[in-house]
Amino acid sequence: EDKVVQSPLSLVVHEGDTVTLNCSYEVTNFRSLLWYKQEKKAPTFLFMLTSSGIEKKSGRLSSILDKKELFSILNITATQTGDSAVYLCAVEDNGGSQGNLIFGKGTKLSVKP
Amino acid sequence: NAGVTQTPKFRILKIGQSMTLQCTQDMNHNYMYWYRQDPGMGLKLIYYSVGAGITDKGEVPNGYNVSRSTTEDFPLRLELAAPSQTSVYFCASSSIAGQTGELFFGEGSRLTVL
Repeated sequence: EDKVVQSPLSLVVHEGDTVTLNCSYEVTNFRSLLWYKQEKKAPTFLFMLTSSGIEKKSGRLSSILDKKELFSILNITATQTGDSAVYLCAVEDNGGSQGNLIFGKGTKLSVKP
Repeated sequence: NAGVTQTPKFRILKIGQSMTLQCTQDMNHNYMYWYRQDPGMGLKLIYYSVGAGITDKGEVPNGYNVSRSTTEDFPLRLELAAPSQTSVYFCASSSIAGQTGELFFGEGSRLTVL
């Protein structure tokens, strides 16, 4: 059965810290891996990764995919209280239903002032 | 920009009642989806649609129905509400053909079945 496992499930840090969130996956036919940030309401898109070793960056956030070891990491440097959210990792299975993203349970990040 | 709009935001139902969650998008996206999110869990796909008139089941379709009469609207119907359907429901849309890519989510509808 396809699955996506995120770790840790929750994390508390102080402003200015650097954090690394992990996502490992097992899917039959990998197509892409996506990261979303979910604050109080709707998830918002961060990154889509399809190729190994190519880092995606957006400000203080960056992410990379390892298709050989079947995992991705999301890094956040110089964290701010506004980074507090649940970070969702999702993997698209090429052989699955059109649009079926398999989501992990999320990592809840709390950034203290 | 409205994006994806869901209504209602909150609803309490009694067991056996029926209701429809409304979803509309103004981005002319062909692909639309309904997910449910239970506490501490990831999102699970209920139904999806690749265009007007076409719908298909996702991972957890039992107890739900959908229709897609227009590109903009994708309502989700619960016929006989059960406590197991207590959840937060998200509607989403995307434009990229052939793959999911970036999903645009609505703000969610919190449903409680008592």
